[in-house]
Amino acid sequence: GAGVSQSPSNKVTEKGKDVELRCDPISGHTALYWYRQSLGQGLEFLIYFQGNSAPDKSGLPSDRFSAERTGGSVSTLTIQRTQQEDSAVYLCASSPAGTGVGANVLTFGAGSRLTVL
Amino acid sequence: EDQVTQSPEALRLQEGESSSLNCSYTVSGLRGLFWYRQDPGKGPEFLFTLYSAGEEKEKERLKATLTKKESFLHITAPKPEDSATYLCAVRAGGTSYGKLTFGQGTILTVHP
Repeated sequence: GAGVSQSPSNKVTEKGKDVELRCDPISGHTALYWYRQSLGQGLEFLIYFQGNSAPDKSGLPSDRFSAERTGGSVSTLTIQRTQQEDSAVYLCASSPAGTGVGANVLTFGAGSRLTVL
Repeated sequence: EDQVTQSPEALRLQEGESSSLNCSYTVSGLRGLFWYRQDPGKGPEFLFTLYSAGEEKEKERLKATLTKKESFLHITAPKPEDSATYLCAVRAGGTSYGKLTFGQGTILTVHP
């Protein structure tokens, strides 16, 4: 696609429910990233995919968070048993191949705003 | 631990009034300093990458500079459409490409 597409744009859920957030990266971008942006905090790295593999999961805050990527394209971020502190905007970004100058330039989607009641 | 601090938190300018935003950083082995612009309800949009002290990049009314401890984003004769949140981020040595540490941002408002 022309840009990074994320869905849903808004999600309201009850505490304890599971949620899935989807990211469709730019066609041909092999690297994909998930970030979280909370009120009053900067963007926080969650996980990095190169192809379908996740060489860096160091930012996932707990084992309630997981992500997968299939076909080297679409990625899903799953949050199980949501808590109120999970409320944030979840941003997905993609970049060209994982090495070289271009790999540092991330193109972000508009984000999925998650509200946990 | 890598840290990025941006100042001021918010900046209000009149159209045409030039100013600078600051980004101070502490990082082990800088592998790039990045400036992004974020409009409300949208994801950050890439502006510049700087790699070494003394480097400068320009785009329209924006100019980014880098020293060993900080970066400045200079805005010359700003227009209302330059209003946005400006984010600074760094990539540390030994980290994955795209694993960036972001500052809190500077909210810029330019009044006509």
